[in-house]
Amino acid sequence: DAKTTQPPSMDCAEGRAANLPCNHSTISGNEYVYWYRQIHSQGPQYIIHGLKNNETNEMASLIITEDRKSSTLILPHATLRDTAVYYCIVRAPKSGYALNFGKGTSLLVTP
Amino acid sequence: EAGVVQSPRYKIIEKKQPVAFWCNPISGHNTLYWYRQNLGQGPELLIRYENEEAVDDSQLPKDRFSAERLKGVDSTLKIQPAELGDSAVYLCASSLAGNIQYFGAGTRLSVL
Repeated sequence: DAKTTQPPSMDCAEGRAANLPCNHSTISGNEYVYWYRQIHSQGPQYIIHGLKNNETNEMASLIITEDRKSSTLILPHATLRDTAVYYCIVRAPKSGYALNFGKGTSLLVTP
Repeated sequence: EAGVVQSPRYKIIEKKQPVAFWCNPISGHNTLYWYRQNLGQGPELLIRYENEEAVDDSQLPKDRFSAERLKGVDSTLKIQPAELGDSAVYLCASSLAGNIQYFGAGTRLSVL
């Protein structure tokens, strides 16, 4: 699986959009970008994934650049409950392989 | 629908003692994973099962760790004997046909 690079930490004011970047310059053509988050003392939680088109669900939006070398996870209206570590993971779909989490981005949402 | 269930949530033992963790995956999920998460790090795979077969156990310290998934449903991870360095959170995840993985809340192990 391709390696990803994320900033170690970010801050965001409550109610504002949180934009979490991820670089994955070595991504292969069949690999998807997955985002998970881990709230303190909980297991990782799936957020969203995509191949090349932008994706949106009830939790977040995922913007993937045209060359697919980077992406941004957007939480449109961050709340205090969005404080968590966010992991960007690149992986072939339905491969069954383990997720390579890395260290992720620690997002702190402040009042 | 129930998610991945793990027990216990917390376990404190003395070094050299045995310990076991239990995982009940989401119903119908054929793939089951055990991960270990050290403080400040992301989870790392210990073992992956496809149904009842362990298909990736390359990162499992086989001298003291063992796992089983009888009948391809529930799974147990055991450590015997535990060492101080085994203190971590042990996470179980499951997926259907290798797709999105869903995680349990984990078991936090403290070895004294």
